[in-house]
Amino acid sequence: NAGVTQTPKFRVLKTGQSMTLLCAQDMNHEYMYWYRQDPGMGLRLIHYSVGEGTTAKGEVPDGYNVSRLKKQNFLLGLESAAPSQTSVYFCASSRGNSYEQYFGPGTRLTVT
Amino acid sequence: TQLLEQSPQFLSIQEGENLTVYCNSSSVFSSLQWYRQEPGEGPVLLVTVVTGGEVKKLKRLTFQFGDARKDSSLHITAAQTGDTGLYLCAGARAAGNKLTFGGGTRVLVKP
Repeated sequence: NAGVTQTPKFRVLKTGQSMTLLCAQDMNHEYMYWYRQDPGMGLRLIHYSVGEGTTAKGEVPDGYNVSRLKKQNFLLGLESAAPSQTSVYFCASSRGNSYEQYFGPGTRLTVT
Repeated sequence: TQLLEQSPQFLSIQEGENLTVYCNSSSVFSSLQWYRQEPGEGPVLLVTVVTGGEVKKLKRLTFQFGDARKDSSLHITAAQTGDTGLYLCAGARAAGNKLTFGGGTRVLVKP
């Protein structure tokens, strides 16, 4: 099993550009999450999904959109990137909200 | 202010020394998890504690959940260079609730 995979691993964007980060899991998990990790801030939840076709806002949703068209995939979109969105983005999945979360390897995004 | 406060933020020790990392909150949690994250990778679960006063051991790592379920600690005995990483605690306020992560403690074990 691959677990949770993320693409791309690295990306550099100019301010105002858009991009989509792709997360895929092969564990048949219902729940999927997108976090950002900044120095000293731990993991902050951006958006999450409790099942195919559903999404919900997390702690820091502004500037991001998500879609869960298939159970195994969770997409994170940046419509107009800003330097404040420079961060490392992690996707995770779990059986349920309080259960162990399995993380992908992360995407390092730099917005100049 | 984060719901879960971890201390210290950074810890540097020599191989063979002991260390303790703390995770504190003013709120009660139904369960608390500890993760370790190595550079360039995502966090990986080490343990979950669910009962107040619970102590769990994982080789040289000892995890404790406070009696009131508001705090937790991670103690590493005779640290090794392989223990280097970012340690994150994460708690659920109630069963079925989303996890909230602490800010992390970065541990460096020098040879």
